Amino acid sequence: NAGVTQTPKFRILKIGQSMTLQCAQDMNHNYMYWYRQDPGMGLKLIYYSVGAGITDKGEVPNGYNVSRSTTEDFPLRLELAAPSQTSVYFCASILQEVTEAFFGQGTRLTVV
Amino acid sequence: QKEVEQDPGPLSVPEGAIVSLNCTYSNSAFQYFMWYRQYSRKGPELLMYTYSSGNKEDGRFTAQVDKSSKYISLFIRDSQPSDSATYLCAMSVTGGYQKVTFGTGTKLQVIP
Repeated sequence: NAGVTQTPKFRILKIGQSMTLQCAQDMNHNYMYWYRQDPGMGLKLIYYSVGAGITDKGEVPNGYNVSRSTTEDFPLRLELAAPSQTSVYFCASILQEVTEAFFGQGTRLTVV
Repeated sequence: QKEVEQDPGPLSVPEGAIVSLNCTYSNSAFQYFMWYRQYSRKGPELLMYTYSSGNKEDGRFTAQVDKSSKYISLFIRDSQPSDSATYLCAMSVTGGYQKVTFGTGTKLQVIP
């Protein structure tokens, strides 16, 4: 199993550009999550999904969109990138319980 | 007041020392308590978890929860340079991951 795979690892965007952060898991997990991690701020939940076709907002959803057409994939879309979206983004998945969580390696995004 | 407080460190100790990492919290409804280890430029990795109160031991690591004081600890015995990482505490009222609150992390350096 590859676990949770995130692509790209690094990206520099210009203000106003758009991009999609990819997340894939091969563990047949139901729940998938997108977090952002900023220095001194901890992990903040952006969006989550409890299964294919079902998504919901987390704590900091503004400026982002998600979709979940398959169990395996959970892409995060940034429209009109802003400097405030400079962060490290982590995707996570769990099968059922909070104690079974797996994180990807992260995507380091800089908006200039 | 933040819901979960964690001293950011950095904490620097000599190899072989006993390390104590701590978090305090304000939400008395938290039932699941987790510790994550995050190496530089990597995703968080679930290290240990406890449900409700008490201690849990796994090799050199011991997790302790004191619900009366709203205080959790992670002890690392015989610390090794490979333990150098940022340690995040995380807490949840239920098993559902969308409700997990993370601490900001404590950076630990174990000096050979």
